[in-house]
Amino acid sequence: AQSVTQLDSQVPVFEEAPVELRCNYSSSVSVYLFWYVQYPNQGLQLLLKYLSGSTLVKGINGFEAEFNKSQTSFHLRKPSVHISDTAEYFCAVSLMNRDDKIIFGKGTRLHILP
Amino acid sequence: DAGITQSPRHKVTETGTPVTLRCHQTENHRYMYWYRQDPGHGLRLIHYSYGVKDTDKGEVSDGYSVSRSKTEDFLLTLESATSSQTSVYFCAIRRDRGDTDTQYFGPGTRLTVL
Repeated sequence: AQSVTQLDSQVPVFEEAPVELRCNYSSSVSVYLFWYVQYPNQGLQLLLKYLSGSTLVKGINGFEAEFNKSQTSFHLRKPSVHISDTAEYFCAVSLMNRDDKIIFGKGTRLHILP
Repeated sequence: DAGITQSPRHKVTETGTPVTLRCHQTENHRYMYWYRQDPGHGLRLIHYSYGVKDTDKGEVSDGYSVSRSKTEDFLLTLESATSSQTSVYFCAIRRDRGDTDTQYFGPGTRLTVL
């Protein structure tokens, strides 16, 4: 069975500082990997995804993530955060060539400090 | 924008009453999903559908039923609501064409069971 672990439930960071949100997954087969963002009182929006190819994936709003197969990780990074990045971030995994489910991590709440 | 709407957006009800939440999509994709979101749990799959009258259970299906009589509508019913079903409910779709690997989410329904 697949699982996703987001190691930090909350991450405080000062405005304009860099941030890394950690995600590790477990699967015996190849997977697709996703990061979603949820702004306060809104639905989930796709930030970026890894399907294949280059292990460094760039997404919206200046975020990027790197797929590391040996460490089964897919950490999300941004070099300089803004107050508007305050949100909850979800890492997710789905099986390649499967029709159904995405497994979500429990989320990491990003707090931007002025 | 994946053309997903959810209704109602907010609902307060009493324990023991039936509740139906509606998810509507405008693009006629086959796959639709219902999730619930609770603090510390991320998103958990309740039920999903892969076509009209074709549905299957997710990891937290107890106490919920679904119906899909038209491609565009996926209904989630709580036959007899309980306080443990107080949650935010999200509908999602997966496209049949193009980026078929990604789920796109509606705005959510906040349900409170008193």
